Amino acid sequence: EVQLVESGGGLVQPGGSLRLSCAASGFPFRSYGMSWVRQAPGKGLEWVATIFESGGRTHYADSVKGRFTVSRDNSKNSLYLQMHSLRAEDTAVYYCAKDHSGDWNFWGQGTLVTVSS
Amino acid sequence: DIQMTQSPSTLSASVGDRVSITCRASQGISNWLAWYQQKPGKAPELLIYKASNLEDGVPSRFSGRGSGTEFTLTISSLQADDFATYHCQQYHSYPYTFGQGTKLENK
Repeated sequence: EVQLVESGGGLVQPGGSLRLSCAASGFPFRSYGMSWVRQAPGKGLEWVATIFESGGRTHYADSVKGRFTVSRDNSKNSLYLQMHSLRAEDTAVYYCAKDHSGDWNFWGQGTLVTVSS
Repeated sequence: DIQMTQSPSTLSASVGDRVSITCRASQGISNWLAWYQQKPGKAPELLIYKASNLEDGVPSRFSGRGSGTEFTLTISSLQADDFATYHCQQYHSYPYTFGQGTKLENK
């Protein structure tokens, strides 16, 4: 059974940093691209970042480019999102998701990031 | 960036109804479109990929069609479990983008 479990969310002050993790199991992690998608409270979904299977290729939304870094450790079946210079508008539930063919067929339960003083 | 516009934003319907949701892309995306269902407090779940392909385990009352810039998700006979929010997503090109969502509510 595919499982994606996010962790690392919490309350952080504007300008602060946070690192999210996503532990994957139930599928050959190293064979799939992975993504982060977020959802601000009461809002729609926003794609954040994608990392390809080997980790050598990444894509970012303009809203996070230069502040967020997506990475993976295939030996640990883990996905990460390092977030710096956090802003109030980064407040959201962050989901990790397993790539299917550009869409996402499995999602974690999400972790809430709140940026507030 | 490709803008995705869903309509309606809210849809009121009853069990047994046939309902359709439309998603329009600001430029052609071939059939690189997915539909997701999301219930409150839960992660989205993939329903349809490549515009018309039903994801494994998704009931056959869900169907998708379209190509280019106009797409439709149809539920042939609404069940109680289908009241949720539906999102379309294009994956023709980065940045991947979503529609604003359609909330399907019980009339």
